[in-house]
Amino acid sequence: DAKTTQPNSMESNEEEPVHLPCNHSTISGTDYIHWYRQLPSQGPEYVIHGLTSNVNNRMASLAIAEDRKSSTLILHRATLRDAAVYYCILPTSGTYKYIFGTGTRLKVLA
Amino acid sequence: DAGITQSPRHKVTETGTPVTLRCHQTENHRYMYWYRQDPGHGLRLIHYSYGVKDTDKGEVSDGYSVSRSKTEDFLLTLESATSSQTSVYFCATRAQGLWETQYFGPGTRLLVL
Repeated sequence: DAKTTQPNSMESNEEEPVHLPCNHSTISGTDYIHWYRQLPSQGPEYVIHGLTSNVNNRMASLAIAEDRKSSTLILHRATLRDAAVYYCILPTSGTYKYIFGTGTRLKVLA
Repeated sequence: DAGITQSPRHKVTETGTPVTLRCHQTENHRYMYWYRQDPGHGLRLIHYSYGVKDTDKGEVSDGYSVSRSKTEDFLLTLESATSSQTSVYFCATRAQGLWETQYFGPGTRLLVL
């Protein structure tokens, strides 16, 4: 299973962009990169995912390095509601086994 | 949102008793998962299922068993609960397909005394 590495915690000011990094140097060619987040006292929720090209949706953007060994989740304007633990995951192709790890705890300062 | 329910939502039990947690989905998703979450450990995969009667172990499967006799239900059983199994348990589902993502249930809070 491909492993991901994320910083334990990050801080951001409200209304400013946030870049959450993830390293996945052992990624294989068919592994999708998924991001989920977990708000306090809730189950995880899907944020975004991609394979090779950068992706955008209403919640965030995903920038994927050309060699795919790293990716960055971008929140364009952090709000207090974005304070959560963010997980970068590479589900195992075929079995779709998800290993979450401990993620990055994002703190948003008012 | 995928229709995923977990029951019970809260349970207190005693060491040595059997406990079964139920995950029910209405989305006809092929894949189902059980996770536990403890402070400092993030989410850890216990078992998952890739079809009816098809299951496999995750990272922390010792002391747990699962069963999936129909698409919509995935049961997690603690044969003899221990205090170390006090945790929050999350169920998740996923449709088949490379592009699909996981959906999570609301969680079950289990306390083993």
